[in-house]
Amino acid sequence: GAVVSQHPSRVICKSGTSVKIECRSLDFQATTMFWYRQFPKKSLMLMATSNEGSKATYEQGVEKDKFLINHASLTLSTLTVTSAHPEDSSFYICSASGPGITDTQYFGPGTRLTVL
Amino acid sequence: LAKTTQPISMDSYEGQEVNITCSHNNIATNDYITWYQQFPSQGPRFIIQGYKTKVTNEVASLFIPADRKSSTLSLPRVSLSDTAVYYCLVGPQGGKLIFGQGTELSVKP
Repeated sequence: GAVVSQHPSRVICKSGTSVKIECRSLDFQATTMFWYRQFPKKSLMLMATSNEGSKATYEQGVEKDKFLINHASLTLSTLTVTSAHPEDSSFYICSASGPGITDTQYFGPGTRLTVL
Repeated sequence: LAKTTQPISMDSYEGQEVNITCSHNNIATNDYITWYQQFPSQGPRFIIQGYKTKVTNEVASLFIPADRKSSTLSLPRVSLSDTAVYYCLVGPQGGKLIFGQGTELSVKP
């Protein structure tokens, strides 16, 4: 299957700071990338869908000014959590799909964010 | 997007075959059925995908009846390492997916 990476794998930051998480498709071109958040013992919650070169589409209840998503190339999408607070602490997971890999989404390993 | 319903948890023993059934009564014509496996603190791993009838790969089989309102993931001869959460999702290929609660499978020795 296709390979998706995320960086960093875990990050700890102070309240009020911004954190950027990268998602890369390593062996295919990802025309669409998705960002999810997962709290302990809960299912994945879709935050937004981003298509290369266009603005992300956010799910209802997700603040677009707080969670900035950029998908500037066919292999890279970034999620920036701005002015992070302890309630933003969560497991953030990206996934990607694209031409030639159209059967499904392939997920990254996730990023554990802890806001102190 | 079609909503899915699957058992919250299942128990099994090593070497047994495990069948997890998922209901998706409102599946759309262009929706595919996809199953993922997730271990704690890891991203979901693709298991299998199908549209109708039966699909088999090296790790699992997926059975889909003619009306496509349900599907069954079959894991042959499970081992302890198959203990994980299994998610059933329906949606267009490569498109938006909404995760349900998943099935927590526990395999015991």
